[in-house]
Formats: sequence, structure tokens, C-alpha cells
Amino acid sequence: DTGVSQDPRHKITKRGQNVTFRCDPISEHNRLYWYRQTLGQGPEFLTYFQNEAQLEKSRLLSDRFSAERPKGSFSTLEIQRTEQGDSAMYLCASSEMGVTGELFFGEGSRLTVL
Amino acid sequence: AQSVTQLGSHVSVSEGALVLLRCNYSSSVPPYLFWYVQYPNQGLQLLLKYTSAATLVKGINGFEAEFKKSETSFHLTKPSAHMSDAAEYFCAVSFLTGTASKLTFGTGTRLQVTL
Repeated sequence: DTGVSQDPRHKITKRGQNVTFRCDPISEHNRLYWYRQTLGQGPEFLTYFQNEAQLEKSRLLSDRFSAERPKGSFSTLEIQRTEQGDSAMYLCASSEMGVTGELFFGEGSRLTVL
Repeated sequence: AQSVTQLGSHVSVSEGALVLLRCNYSSSVPPYLFWYVQYPNQGLQLLLKYTSAATLVKGINGFEAEFKKSETSFHLTKPSAHMSDAAEYFCAVSFLTGTASKLTFGTGTRLQVTL
């Protein structure tokens, strides 16, 4: 088991460009979460999937953000028309069903918008 | 709304000294509480969790935390700090959403361990 992997680890982009992050969860985990972490803050919940179904989205997730998990395995988080305020670490986590709060996090994808 | 407050964004202790990281929660329902640790350039890792069983919870690497309802606290302790404990520690509270749970994290406490 290689854990949760995220790609890319770092992304620098210009304002207005689109970016996409990928997350590969632990293979037997059917829940997948996206969080965002800014400097000096704890992670903030964005959205989560159970298998391929996106069951909840935070109000933080504006219409420029879209997340998918098409086959219930890996997930992508796309940010369209990036803004400087989108600069953050985007964290992916996965968990087994029924195990409250035991999330396994990836190392994150750091986004810098210039 | 559920939330956690971590008192002290930075804590510095000497190697061998007691570690005490403070966390207070606010919840209208019985909470599930967690401590996660983030080592440099690594993902967050679960240290321990409270899910309404024993109030004193033991975790990995010698850490433990005690749930005190009367004080709405869930402080993290370790009797003797080691250099390898230097990291950022996050307290988190969970509330159930449908059939899953999501975590609300505190702002974190960076632990520095000095010789």
C-alpha cells in the first residue's frame, strides 16, 4: 500500500489559467475528501466522494472549482480562471466507510497563483 | 456550528520536558475529537481519536489526550518530549454528514523541541 498520492506536488500558474490536481487514494478506501490549507490555518473541508458520487460540497467551493471521481478510484480537482486567493495547499484524503474521522492524507499539492 | 480552538500557535519545550498542547471544542452534539500531526513535507497523520468511549485516549508515539466535557477540552500531552516530536499538531472535531464524517480543524500548534 503506497498511501494517498497527489500530483503535481507544486504548481505555479498565472492568474486566469486553469489548473487540475489529481489524487490517487488508498485502493480499498471508498471515501475521498478534498481539503484546502492556507498559511497559518488548519485544513478546510472542500468536498467529499463516496465511490463516484460527490455527496457534499462546501460553500468554499465556488463555481470555478469542480471535482470528479469518475470511476470511484482517483479524483481530480480543477480550478478554472485561477485567482491569487486560490493560492493554497490542496490536500486529498481517503478513508474506509464507517470509520469516523480516520482520514489518510496525501502530501498535498501546493498552488501558487501569480 | 462545531469548532475547535487551539491555544498557542507555537509551543517550545526542552527535550525530556512535558508536552502540553491545548484544544477546546464547541459542539452542540457529543463530538468526535482528533489530534493529527504533520511532519515537514509529509501528509497529516492521525495521532489519536476520541469517539465517546474511554475519556483518556492513548495514541501513537507516546501521546495521549483526555476528553473533559466539563471543560470542553481535549488537550494533548506527552510526558517526555523527543526531538522527533517537532511538528505541527492539529486538533479536529467531526460531525456526521449522512453516512460519512468530515473534520473541522483548528489552526494548528507548531511544536519546537530544543536541546
